[in-house]
Amino acid sequence: GENVEQHPSTLSVQEGDSAVIKCTYSDSASNYFPWYKQELGKGPQLIIDIRSNVGEKKDQRIAVTLNKTAKHFSLHITETQPEDSAVYFCAASINRDDKIIFGKGTRLHILP
Amino acid sequence: DTAVSQTPKYLVTQMGNDKSIKCEQNLGHDTMYWYKQDSKKFLKIMFSYNNKELIINETVPNRFSPKSPDKAHLNLHINSLELGDSAVYFCASSQGVARHEQFFGPGTRLTVL
Repeated sequence: GENVEQHPSTLSVQEGDSAVIKCTYSDSASNYFPWYKQELGKGPQLIIDIRSNVGEKKDQRIAVTLNKTAKHFSLHITETQPEDSAVYFCAASINRDDKIIFGKGTRLHILP
Repeated sequence: DTAVSQTPKYLVTQMGNDKSIKCEQNLGHDTMYWYKQDSKKFLKIMFSYNNKELIINETVPNRFSPKSPDKAHLNLHINSLELGDSAVYFCASSQGVARHEQFFGPGTRLTVL
């Protein structure tokens, strides 16, 4: 089955700097890649997603890139702010499965 | 206005007891899920229902039994609770199968003593 690896597990970034979180997936049939943000005490919330027919997608300070050949995708957050501090999960999904597989999460700390 | 709600938010119980967690969504979605998040924040799917039909059962012990009385509700009953069941359980819903945005509830923190 699909396996999603996520790095780093913890990331500390100075406020205003950029943060990058990287994920790899194992099944080349995966075609949907969402990113979820989980704030303390809350459930995860979708922040951006990308499908395999697109190489990059951007939404204000957040962007995701996908390299299908290398089977990896990344989340980029620019001009980080204190409210960006949270746990971020990447995930992947295959057409033939009715589920998404989550990475193990990255705890992002924005330092003042 | 809550989209996906769960009750209770906290559940503390003794080993061997039976407990239930309830989930309701008011988004009109046809697919609902249960996830388990362990102490290391690892998020793993347990069950998925589409139009009240079970479509995913991820080798969860049969002490766990989901029940979907209608499309808006998905409850989780756990028999003979064990220490290892301690975790945060999240309910989620989506329109269509997993390749659409999933909306998560606030979670139920289960502590088994």
